[in-house]
Amino acid sequence: QQQVKQSPQSLIVQKGGISIINCAYENTAFDYFPWYQQFPGKGPALLIAIRPDVSEKKEGRFTISFNKSAKQFSLHIMDSQPGDSATYFCAASRDDYKLSFGAGTTVTVRA
Amino acid sequence: GAGVSQSPSNKVTEKGKDVELRCDPISGHTALYWYRQSLGQGLEFLIYFQGNSAPDKSGLPSDRFSAERTGGSVSTLTIQRTQQEDSAVYLCASSPMRAKNIQYFGAGTRLSVL
Repeated sequence: QQQVKQSPQSLIVQKGGISIINCAYENTAFDYFPWYQQFPGKGPALLIAIRPDVSEKKEGRFTISFNKSAKQFSLHIMDSQPGDSATYFCAASRDDYKLSFGAGTTVTVRA
Repeated sequence: GAGVSQSPSNKVTEKGKDVELRCDPISGHTALYWYRQSLGQGLEFLIYFQGNSAPDKSGLPSDRFSAERTGGSVSTLTIQRTQQEDSAVYLCASSPMRAKNIQYFGAGTRLSVL
């Protein structure tokens, strides 16, 4: 069964808007939560990651919010740009080992 | 090369044929993973190699799937007697010992079984 559930499946946002993607997990042993960005025809690339000892991590326009008690984490893309149009995957792992991925969210940023 | 290299980039085969997919990890990376990405789905873990340790094969969907890693570098994923449901993008990733939480992915091999 899918250990990480991701929503929405797709979203459209205007340039300058905020994109929000949510993920939920069940396995409380997970201790590493990365987000990957994938462009068509390319492999996924690590975007930003968080560990459960912090509730938020920000890198540029990308922020991860983490809620350990709810077993949820989310990606916020601020001031979305057309170049951010891609598929985003949340993931989780234990002991920096194999990743369990969400199903992905296709983000389209309209100019 | 600078990144993870996978070949071929595309493979079309007939049902029942065997296929081999190749992965060249980043030089010096000790860990190597294979994942499968089906249309509209997330990535599904298949197999993991770490140095000289026995591989974790827990994600292989059937005994038609096998993989090996020679000399701690290049890896080959073999699918025997391919079925239409094997059609997917097969992705390889590698990671260094000093940052084993960061996986670097290749562009994948798109397999189409007719």
